[in-house]
Amino acid sequence: SYVLTQPPSVSVAPGRTARITCGGNNIGSLRVHWYHQKPGQAPVLVVFDGSDRPSGIPERFSGSNSGHTATLTISRVEAGDEADYYCQVWDSNNDHSVFGTGTKVTVL
Amino acid sequence: QLPVQESGPRLVRPSETLSLTCTVSGDSISSSYYYWGWIRQAPGKGLEWIGNIYYSGITYYNPSLKSRVTISEDTSKTQVSLKLNSATAADTAVYYCARQFGDYTSGFDIWGQGTVVTVSS
Repeated sequence: SYVLTQPPSVSVAPGRTARITCGGNNIGSLRVHWYHQKPGQAPVLVVFDGSDRPSGIPERFSGSNSGHTATLTISRVEAGDEADYYCQVWDSNNDHSVFGTGTKVTVL
Repeated sequence: QLPVQESGPRLVRPSETLSLTCTVSGDSISSSYYYWGWIRQAPGKGLEWIGNIYYSGITYYNPSLKSRVTISEDTSKTQVSLKLNSATAADTAVYYCARQFGDYTSGFDIWGQGTVVTVSS
């Protein structure tokens, strides 16, 4: 089945840029969605369809998707961005959703 | 009132059926614009998609759980149900109900707060 690989952790200083990758076979041809999840809370959709933001999500969150890698970029990182981040796609070969392995973002 | 809320027993005995209900506010459960999904998260682990359902009754399931899972809907009660048979300790998790706007390839834009289920004797 389809596998989405994320780095376990990313560390970034406040005000800098964090990039979280999501690797998958030909992921560039898929609709990729990104979530952040803070401890004890439900996930929140921050980017959908690769690069679109739901209402209420700051412009600091952006996404790109090409080839075998999708990327979530968080600009001007704030302490409140510290969370786990997951990518998600629909695997049309097997008709099921797949979540990435998750990345813990730490703000230094 | 939360737009999406999960409910059900917090403790399930091994080999029994785990049953949860997702209550959706308003009439969106019968809307053609949405799919409704179940996702779980074992303690300290990542997100695992369980399955989803469309208002017409179409369902999709995680292949690894398909033999044990049933997702159904009750539009009169605006509820979506999850049943997971032959529960084991590995099914201990936080279970979330979430909405997909558009189709089954869409992102989950609204989530319930989640409900903790422990499988233990």
